[in-house]
Amino acid sequence: GAGVSQSPSNKVTEKGKDVELRCDPISGHTALYWYRQSLGQGLEFLIYFQGNSAPDKSGLPSDRFSAERTGGSVSTLTIQRTQQEDSAVYLCASSLLTRNYGYTFGSGTRLTVV
Amino acid sequence: GDSVTQMEGPVTLSEEAFLTINCTYTATGYPSLFWYVQYPGEGLQLLLKATKADDKGSNKGFEATYRKETTSFHLEKGSVQVSDSAVYFCALTQYNNNDMRFGAGTRLTVKP
Repeated sequence: GAGVSQSPSNKVTEKGKDVELRCDPISGHTALYWYRQSLGQGLEFLIYFQGNSAPDKSGLPSDRFSAERTGGSVSTLTIQRTQQEDSAVYLCASSLLTRNYGYTFGSGTRLTVV
Repeated sequence: GDSVTQMEGPVTLSEEAFLTINCTYTATGYPSLFWYVQYPGEGLQLLLKATKADDKGSNKGFEATYRKETTSFHLEKGSVQVSDSAVYFCALTQYNNNDMRFGAGTRLTVKP
């Protein structure tokens, strides 16, 4: 597609439930990133996929968080046993050659844990 | 490691005022520099960029010049509008990888 697509745009879930957030990057973009943005805060890096290399998971806040990228394209971020502090906007971005073009961000998924 | 420091907000201006949002960076080598804008309820959009020293990025009346001697990339606009109210992020990336480092963001509110 023309841009980075994220779904759902909004998700309300009960504490303790698992959620899956989806990111569909721009076709051909080899790099894909997940960030978290809590209310009024900056960007918190979560995970980075580059081609077929092992992902950089250094930003994942706990072992309840995991992500995968299938076929070098679509990515799913999974949060198990959600907690209220997981409430945030989850942003996905993709890039081809960051130093020239930067990232292209999706509109995000707003997750609310009640 | 590489990092970006932005002036703390929030910044509140009247319409038609001059805007400066300071950004300085720490990096080895020759990074590319970016400004992103996030309007309320939306994701981040690339506003402008500069890939080498002395380059000036510009878009929508905003400008920033890559100053290697002062390791800065300050964002400026001569006359802000209410519609410029948003959060602005400065960022850098290195030549040899795709990882981008973001500043903490500066919230701008423009009042009529």
